[in-house]
Amino acid sequence: AQTVTQSQPEMSVQEAETVTLSCTYDTSESDYYLFWYKQPPSRQMILVIRQEAYKQQNATENRFSVNFQKAAKSFSLKISDSQLGDAAMYFCASFLIQGAQKLVFGQGTRLTINP
Amino acid sequence: DTGVSQDPRHKITKRGQNVTFRCDPISEHNRLYWYRQTLGQGPEFLTYFQNEAQLEKSRLLSDRFSAERPKGSFSTLEIQRTEQGDSAMYLCASSSQTGSEQFFGPGTRLTVL
Repeated sequence: AQTVTQSQPEMSVQEAETVTLSCTYDTSESDYYLFWYKQPPSRQMILVIRQEAYKQQNATENRFSVNFQKAAKSFSLKISDSQLGDAAMYFCASFLIQGAQKLVFGQGTRLTINP
Repeated sequence: DTGVSQDPRHKITKRGQNVTFRCDPISEHNRLYWYRQTLGQGPEFLTYFQNEAQLEKSRLLSDRFSAERPKGSFSTLEIQRTEQGDSAMYLCASSSQTGSEQFFGPGTRLTVL
């Protein structure tokens, strides 16, 4: 089975500070992708960052970076220099390269940015 | 705008009525996905198409649900005899052949009274 767990229903951070959102996943497959998606109040899902499981180097996109720990099946998202526009629901998701062709999402973390 | 579009954005219906939603994917994408998202939860997979072929269906997709993608371009999702439990946001996404990076539409919010 393919599962994704986000244990933090809500997080808050002061503007300009750094916050880390946690995600753990479980799969018996060796080839997969992991994603963080952002869903602002307008509700359109936006891709934030992607990590290929075969890559040891952590992915980075501007202020967003991940800490991918394959053995621990952990995939956290770090947001640096938080901005008001970062306020949203954040979803962690996995995708198997072979087998079930679908994204499996976690329950989400609501991130609030305090000015 | 070349993103994924969905129509309608909102639908209110009475229990027992049929509803149909449409999704237009990014034009060069041959994979199209439907997900359902209830309030406070992550999206759950319903079904996906590669071109016009429906390749996978979730057990969430009961007999009252049917999806089509007749010409491998836009897709429709029909719910027959709607129930209050069908109230949710229905999300469409599309991707290229590799399928790994999916681009989402704005969703159709269904409310069943």
